[in-house]
Amino acid sequence: AQTVTQSQPEMSVQEAETVTLSCTYDTSENNYYLFWYKQPPSRQMILVIRQEAYKQQNATENRFSVNFQKAAKSFSLKISDSQLGDTAMYFCAFMKQGNQFYFGTGTSLTVIP
Amino acid sequence: NAGVTQTPKFRVLKTGQSMTLLCAQDMNHEYMYWYRQDPGMGLRLIHYSVGEGTTAKGEVPDGYNVSRLKKQNFLLGLESAAPSQTSVYFCASNYGSPVADTQYFGPGTRLTVL
Repeated sequence: AQTVTQSQPEMSVQEAETVTLSCTYDTSENNYYLFWYKQPPSRQMILVIRQEAYKQQNATENRFSVNFQKAAKSFSLKISDSQLGDTAMYFCAFMKQGNQFYFGTGTSLTVIP
Repeated sequence: NAGVTQTPKFRVLKTGQSMTLLCAQDMNHEYMYWYRQDPGMGLRLIHYSVGEGTTAKGEVPDGYNVSRLKKQNFLLGLESAAPSQTSVYFCASNYGSPVADTQYFGPGTRLTVL
């Protein structure tokens, strides 16, 4: 069975600072995908970034980047230059072939002005 | 292009009542999913479909039924609602290929069962 663990229920960061959200997963699969989704108070789930397991290079999307450690089964999200609009719940997700997604329990991030 | 839409946005039911949630997508996606989101538990997969006319059970299927009669629609039914089904329900869809694998989510339906 696949499991996704986010060990930080809540985090806060000062505006313009950098914050890292942790995610670990457990799987016996070799080919899979990892995602970070953002859920603001509007409840809409928004894709932040994704990573293919076969790619060694860490994915980057503007101020968002990941640290993907396949052997350690770790997939952390770094948010640089944090903005007030980054305040949201962040979910780490794992997808194996067959397209079933497994989500972590989320990390609530608050950006403090 | 509306993306993924859900109907209704809010609903209150009494125990034992039935209802159907409708999910529609206009992106020609093959795969569609129903999740429930509860505090402290993230999103859990209820049922999913890999194409028109197909359905499969997810992690928490009990008490729900689904149908995918048309490619663009995925219906979630509660035959006899229970308070434990109070939750926020999300529909999602994607192409289902290894390349275009991002799931697109609807805005959610908040269901309360009294």
